[in-house]
Amino acid sequence: QVQLRQWGAGLLKPSETLSLTCAVYGGSFSGYYWTWIRQPPGKGLEWIGDINYSGSTNYNPSLKSRLTMSIDTSNDHFSLTLASVTAADTAVYYCARSLRYGSSGYYRHWGQGALVTV
Amino acid sequence: AIQLTQSPSSLSASVGDRVTFTCRASQDISSALAWYQQKPGKAPNLLIYDASILEDGVPSRFSGSGRGTDFALTITSLQPEDFATYYCQQFHTYLYSFGQGTKLEIK
Repeated sequence: QVQLRQWGAGLLKPSETLSLTCAVYGGSFSGYYWTWIRQPPGKGLEWIGDINYSGSTNYNPSLKSRLTMSIDTSNDHFSLTLASVTAADTAVYYCARSLRYGSSGYYRHWGQGALVTV
Repeated sequence: AIQLTQSPSSLSASVGDRVTFTCRASQDISSALAWYQQKPGKAPNLLIYDASILEDGVPSRFSGSGRGTDFALTITSLQPEDFATYYCQQFHTYLYSFGQGTKLEIK
């Protein structure tokens, strides 16, 4: 059973850096794409970006200048940092895993979500 | 970026009803579309992928259809647990955009 558990600071001041980590338990860590998605309170879902096992990333262009994703294959976890946050970055942040080995699409497995308030 | 437009934005229906939501893409995305259900305070739950493939464990009253730019999610015989918000997401081209959602409410 694949489980994703995420953690990070929940309250930030403007201009600080948001940092979140998602740990993966069960299943294979290699071969999948690992994704971050966010949802402002009362609003819809926004795709932030993904990273694969090799460390190759794809970012939402609207966040790219402030965004860094990394992966730790030794410990089966991946991370998100978003610099210079503003109130517009207040959201529930989710991590997720792609459905198929070797493919980036579709998210069957999700973390529990982490509310970050700026 | 590919835009996804869902309609309606909200819908009121009764238990036992059949409902259909639509998702229109701003360009051809073949069948690279997913549907998710989200309940308050919870992560989204994958219902349909590749536009029409039912995810494991999802009741057969859910079905997806469409290809190209026009897609639909149909729920036959609504159950109380189906009242939630539904999102489509395209996986044809980065960035993997979401529709704005359709909120299904009890009439």
